[in-house]
Amino acid sequence: DGGITQSPKYLFRKEGQNVTLSCEQNLNHDAMYWYRQDPGQGLRLIYYSQIVNDFQKGDIAEGYSVSREKKESFPLTVTSAQKNPTAFYLCATHGDTDTQYFGPGTRLTVL
Amino acid sequence: QKEVEQDPGPLSVPEGAIVSLNCTYSNSAFQYFMWYRQYSRKGPELLMYTYSSGNKEDGRFTAQVDKSSKYISLFIRDSQPSDSATYLCAANQAGTALIFGKGTTLSVSS
Repeated sequence: DGGITQSPKYLFRKEGQNVTLSCEQNLNHDAMYWYRQDPGQGLRLIYYSQIVNDFQKGDIAEGYSVSREKKESFPLTVTSAQKNPTAFYLCATHGDTDTQYFGPGTRLTVL
Repeated sequence: QKEVEQDPGPLSVPEGAIVSLNCTYSNSAFQYFMWYRQYSRKGPELLMYTYSSGNKEDGRFTAQVDKSSKYISLFIRDSQPSDSATYLCAANQAGTALIFGKGTTLSVSS
């Protein structure tokens, strides 16, 4: 079964906690992306990585961190510095045809 | 001005209607244009992909790009209740991240 997996599906965070969202892909795509989606806001780019051990900030990187140690994995950490983290988080990969493919998403809620 | 603009709707139509969804963009360097469909609480799925200007048809769906007016359209014929979702347009240049519109919410009633 190929594609992009994200875990967990639902995540609850207490104030002041760091949490890590997982994104794994077996599509052999080099580029991976993290987006945040809020109602009425569309998709906003947090971080992206075009190759292993390299990543760049997107439009709303403050309060987030990433790593890209393996081609298949691009985890996102939501730190306590992110003041309003409740949102739907989407991971995507970028294929050879310049299209992006999305995972099923993780819904993060701050308690 | 956002690079890709999309009317958020909501848009409500009866079953069997023809639906027209539209976006405009400002960056003349965009070459690739996409439409994604997103059901509630799910990740977006790629629906249509078009390179440069022209039309592309896939079943009940037709994607249209007019680069002269910087206009992107998606037409849905014989709309079904299962088409009820949010539709996102997107565009990019080769090798760059997609720029998304905010999405249009469509509801098709039976």
